Amino acid sequence: NAGVTQTPKFQVLKTGQSMTLQCAQDMNHNSMYWYRQDPGMGLRLIYYSASEGTTDKGEVPNGYNVSRLNKREFSLRLESAAPSQTSVYFCASSVSHEQYFGPGTRLTVT
Amino acid sequence: GDSVTQMEGPVTLSEEAFLTINCTYTATGYPSLFWYVQYPGEGLQLLLKATKADDKGSNKGFEATYRKETTSFHLEKGSVQVSDSAVYFCALRGALTGGGNKLTFGTGTQLKVEL
Repeated sequence: NAGVTQTPKFQVLKTGQSMTLQCAQDMNHNSMYWYRQDPGMGLRLIYYSASEGTTDKGEVPNGYNVSRLNKREFSLRLESAAPSQTSVYFCASSVSHEQYFGPGTRLTVT
Repeated sequence: GDSVTQMEGPVTLSEEAFLTINCTYTATGYPSLFWYVQYPGEGLQLLLKATKADDKGSNKGFEATYRKETTSFHLEKGSVQVSDSAVYFCALRGALTGGGNKLTFGTGTQLKVEL
């Protein structure tokens, strides 16, 4: 049982480049989330999807877009990366109160 | 809006010492409360939870009691081990989050346990 998987694990981008972070879960969860983790800031919600076919903004959505491709997959896209988007990105899925997290993607924008 | 405040780290303890990590919250109504743990290089995983006032969550020797009168959910362990070294996050699910079971996280407290 893989749980929540994320690709890639590491990525370095130049300012202005675009990329998509992939996330998939095999637990048949309805809800999925994207967070960023920065030192001293905890985890901040970027976007979430309460169910297949719906997406909503979280606390820090600017500069990001998401796609809930199907029940399993929820991708995060950076259209024009900025140094302020250097962070560790976590995908999560949930059933009821508990969220299950992926291993994270460490992104550096130079 | 909802918020979680937890003590800043790092907290450094000797093995077998008593651990307390303070967490207080601000929320409307009766939120559910959680502690998550993040081991180095990994994602977060749920450590324990409490869904109503006076509930005590417990797991792996860790405990936390939901205190509505003090809006607190402090994490405790009687005797820490080196393997408990990690970052601990307090979180809440507000009563009025609507769809999606969104969580609000504290900033995290790093715990280092030394021999």
